[in-house]
Amino acid sequence: AQSVAQPEDQVNVAEGNPLTVKCTYSVSGNPYLFWYVQYPNRGLQFLLKYITGDNLVKGSYGFEAEFNKSQTSFHLKKPSALVSDSALYFCAVRVPSGNTPLVFGKGTRLSVIA
Amino acid sequence: KAGVTQTPRYLIKTRGQQVTLSCSPISGHRSVSWYQQTPGQGLQFLFEYFSETQRNKGNFPGRFSGRQFSNSRSEMNVSTLELGDSALYLCASSYVPGTSGDSEQFFGPGTRLTVL
Repeated sequence: AQSVAQPEDQVNVAEGNPLTVKCTYSVSGNPYLFWYVQYPNRGLQFLLKYITGDNLVKGSYGFEAEFNKSQTSFHLKKPSALVSDSALYFCAVRVPSGNTPLVFGKGTRLSVIA
Repeated sequence: KAGVTQTPRYLIKTRGQQVTLSCSPISGHRSVSWYQQTPGQGLQFLFEYFSETQRNKGNFPGRFSGRQFSNSRSEMNVSTLELGDSALYLCASSYVPGTSGDSEQFFGPGTRLTVL
């Protein structure tokens, strides 16, 4: 069965500093990996995905994520955090084959402090 | 293009009642998935509909049901509400089935259900 772990419930970072939100996964085979962000009273918004190819994926709002197969990780990064990046971030995984839904991590709350 | 819309946005019910939530996907999208979001459990998959057929179902009791209409709009129904059903219910649409392929899903703002 596939699973996703986001080991940190909360990440605090100062505005202008780099940020990292961690995600590790467990699947059989090669994964499709996604990052979504949720702002208060809003649904989830797609940030980026890894399907195949280059391990460094660039997405919306200056975010990027690095796929590391040996460490089964897909950490979300941004070189310089903004206060407006404060939100709830979800990592999700799906196996390409079969009829399986996206499995989400429990989410990490990012707070960017001015 | 208009996004995914969900109605109502907020709902208060009492235990034992039933509730129906509605989701209109992005125009042209034929797949609709439903998720339950709670602080303790995170996002849990409820079910997915594609072209009016249920393709996949999560691990929820039979009190949770859904359907999809020919215009791709979807409804989910919860009967005999329990306190633990209080949650944010999110709907997501995609052009291809959400449970296959590499396409991302587009989420609505959710319906906040409170059961008293």
